[in-house]
Formats: sequence, structure tokens, C-alpha cells
Amino acid sequence: DVKVTQSSRYLVKRTGEKVFLECVQDMDHENMFWYRQDPGLGLRLIYFSYDVKMKEKGDIPEGYSVSREKKERFSLILESASTNQTSMYLCASSFAQRGGTQYFGPGTRLLVL
Amino acid sequence: SQQGEEDPQALSIQEGENATMNCSYKTSINNLQWYRQNSGRGLVHLILIRSNEREKHSGRLRVTLDTSKKSSSLLITASRAADTASYFCATGRYYGQNFVFGPGTRLSVLP
Repeated sequence: DVKVTQSSRYLVKRTGEKVFLECVQDMDHENMFWYRQDPGLGLRLIYFSYDVKMKEKGDIPEGYSVSREKKERFSLILESASTNQTSMYLCASSFAQRGGTQYFGPGTRLLVL
Repeated sequence: SQQGEEDPQALSIQEGENATMNCSYKTSINNLQWYRQNSGRGLVHLILIRSNEREKHSGRLRVTLDTSKKSSSLLITASRAADTASYFCATGRYYGQNFVFGPGTRLSVLP
């Protein structure tokens, strides 16, 4: 069965802290994605990766960085958390084929105080 | 600007009724996918329709695609309370992958 896991379901951090969100998939997918979801805005792509050590900016990469050292793991890093980064963060993965179905993790709800 | 836009933003129906949601997009696509999200959870893939297909069925789901109008619709027949969720369409952009999601339609099915 397809499995995408995220390191935390809920996270509370303070402004200025460095935050790591981790995502692991067990399906040998080439592609991995990080989205944030805010009410009324839907999902917005932050970064994606199509291979180990490869990354591409999505629509809203400012304030975020990512790391993909292993195929199964894709990390999202908030270098200095700010209150406007309070959001639901969703990780997804897919095969590299064109239009591959994305499989999502359960999400991490991050609150930055 | 977003590629996919669902309509309506919210829909409330009685159990047993049919629910129809629409999605419009702006540029050419390889395929269009529909996803469901239960409250506070991740998204689950429902169905994919390719650009050369006009209609597709999966159980109680029926999806249509009109590439000339750049629109798609998702029909859920004989709705159940368990269908209460948000529904998103997603269209491909980068390298043919499905990156762009609309804001979603919030469906409430009342018992």
C-alpha cells in the first residue's frame, strides 16, 4: 500500500526558529513535492524534486529551502520561521511519468507564534 | 494566477442527491485529475482523465473533460454523508506533472 509519512501532525514554533519538516515515501517515487495549504487559496507549490539532490522552485519558494539527500526523503526547511508561515504543509510524491498521480501525506499543521 | 478554479466554492446537498462540481483552467493540459480531502487530512487521488478523453467513470464518480472550453466536471451520484469533503482539480504544467491545484469545492452531504 502506498505510504507517505510526515514527521509531525502538529507543530508549534516561535518566530525566528529554524524548522524542519520531513517527508518519507516508500514507493520508490522519483518526484516529491511540498505544498502549503491556506483557506481560500488551495494548495500552492513551494518546491519539488525530481531526483536525489535535485530541486526546483515552485510558486512560493521565498522563506523556504529543501533537501533531498535520499530518494525516499524530502525535507522542507524554514530558515527563520515567521508568523505568515503558519499553515498546513502537505508533502506528496509521484512517479516521473507525465501526469503521474500524486500521493499525499497526512499534512503538518504548523503554528508560528 | 491559478491554473484550475473549482466552482462552486461550497455545495450542500441531501444524502442520495447528485453533486456536480466544475473546474476551469487556462492553458493546455496533458491530463486533469480530481482529488478529495477530508477535513484536516492529506489529499486522495480520485480519478484522472487524459486530454484525449471526454468522459470517464469510476464507481459513483463521473468526470467529463471539454478541452475546447478548458473545463471539467465531477459528478458524484447517489451521494453519501461520507462524501463530505473538499474536492480539488489539478492540472499539469511543469514537465507534464500535476502541480497546480484550484482552491477546491467544499461539499457537505446532509443525512
